[in-house]
Parts: sequence; C-alpha cells; structure tokens
Amino acid sequence: EAGVAQSPRYKIIEKRQSVAFWCNPISGHATLYWYQQILGQGPKLLIQFQNNGVVDDSQLPKDRFSAERLKGVDSTLKIQPAKLEDSAVYLCASSLGPGLAPNYEQYFGPGTRLTVT
Amino acid sequence: AQSVTQPDIHITVSEGASLELRCNYSYGATPYLFWYVQSPGQGLQLLLKYFSGDTLVQGIKGFEAEFKRSQSSFNLRKPSVHWSDAAEYFCAVALGAYDMRFGAGTRLTVKP
Repeated sequence: EAGVAQSPRYKIIEKRQSVAFWCNPISGHATLYWYQQILGQGPKLLIQFQNNGVVDDSQLPKDRFSAERLKGVDSTLKIQPAKLEDSAVYLCASSLGPGLAPNYEQYFGPGTRLTVT
Repeated sequence: AQSVTQPDIHITVSEGASLELRCNYSYGATPYLFWYVQSPGQGLQLLLKYFSGDTLVQGIKGFEAEFKRSQSSFNLRKPSVHWSDAAEYFCAVALGAYDMRFGAGTRLTVKP
C-alpha cells in the first residue's frame, strides 16, 4: 500500500514570496490533515478536511495560509506572502475517517521542509 | 490550560539498556493518548495508543506504555534499546475527536 506522498521535499524562498505544497493521501482515506512542525516543537494541526469539506481550521493563519482539497483527494497548502516564522516542516497526514476512533489511525507523509530567508 | 509535557529534550542510552520516556498531560478529563516516532527525514509513525481499558499498552517495535491516571502520565518504555531506535519521540493527547496535541518531543541517541 502506498503511503502519503508530499512534494516538494524541500523549498527555500525569500520572505514575501508565495509557496505551495502538495499532498496525495492514501487511497480511500476520507480525512486529510495539514500540520506545521517548527524546529524543536511537536506538530501543530493547521487544518483538517473530511472529503472536500473543512472540519477544523481554527489554527490556520487565514490571512496568509490557504488550503484546498478539490474532489476530496489531493490537497494543496499555500502560503502567501511567507514570513520568516513560517520556516518549518509541513506534514500531511490522512486517515480512513474523522476523529480519533481506535481504527482511525493517522498516517503521515515525509513532510516538506520550508526555509524562508 | 491544556498541555502536553515531555520533560526530557534529549536522552542518551547505551544499546541493550532499558529506556523510559516521560509524558505528562494536563487535561480536565482522561484524554486519548498516543506515542509517535519520527526518524530523520521521515513522517511520524504511530507506536501505540490508549483509548480505554488495560492501562498497559503494547505497541510496535517492542515498545509499551503505561497510563497512570493519578500521575497524569503516559510513559513509554522498552526493555532493550537497539541502535535503530535512535529517533525523535512524540507524545500526543486528544480530548475529543479533533483536538490532538503533541508534546515538544524527546530525541533519543543510542550509544554503541
């Protein structure tokens, strides 16, 4: 079974530029998550999708971050314009269903490491 | 305030020695509890989880964890560490279906 795919793996941009990350979840997984992991910290949930609808985006900085999941499969996360403090690893995860029921394990992709200079 | 604390930023153990990684949480009720491992350049992999029932939970790769309600703790243990266990370990807690929060992580170094 293929895992969660993310691209690019690394990205370096200057502040005020824009950037986009792509995620392809495990086939059949209805729920998709984007996390931000700043160096030295644990992952923080940015947004959660159930199929193509947003379940939770309370921690997404909406003035500069946006995310979409068209057709309920792939997802993109965009930052525009980027700030220095956005330097982090952006992790995508997927699960069969929403919430944290015992059989709804989250599977994580390898992440995209973003450096903003 | 709700929080997850991993008191040890970095731990070094010798190969073959036992391991215990600490995790404490501060929630009003008993949350769901998880341990994840992250190897360099990799995503997080679930080691084990606790939802209810037996407070001693067995996971993959020979890990286990014990939930202690009185201490608000969920410590991860392994009786004999292998060099391949060197990684970052994250404790996570969730109170409710959509509110999973991670600790800051503990980096494990294994000495030959």
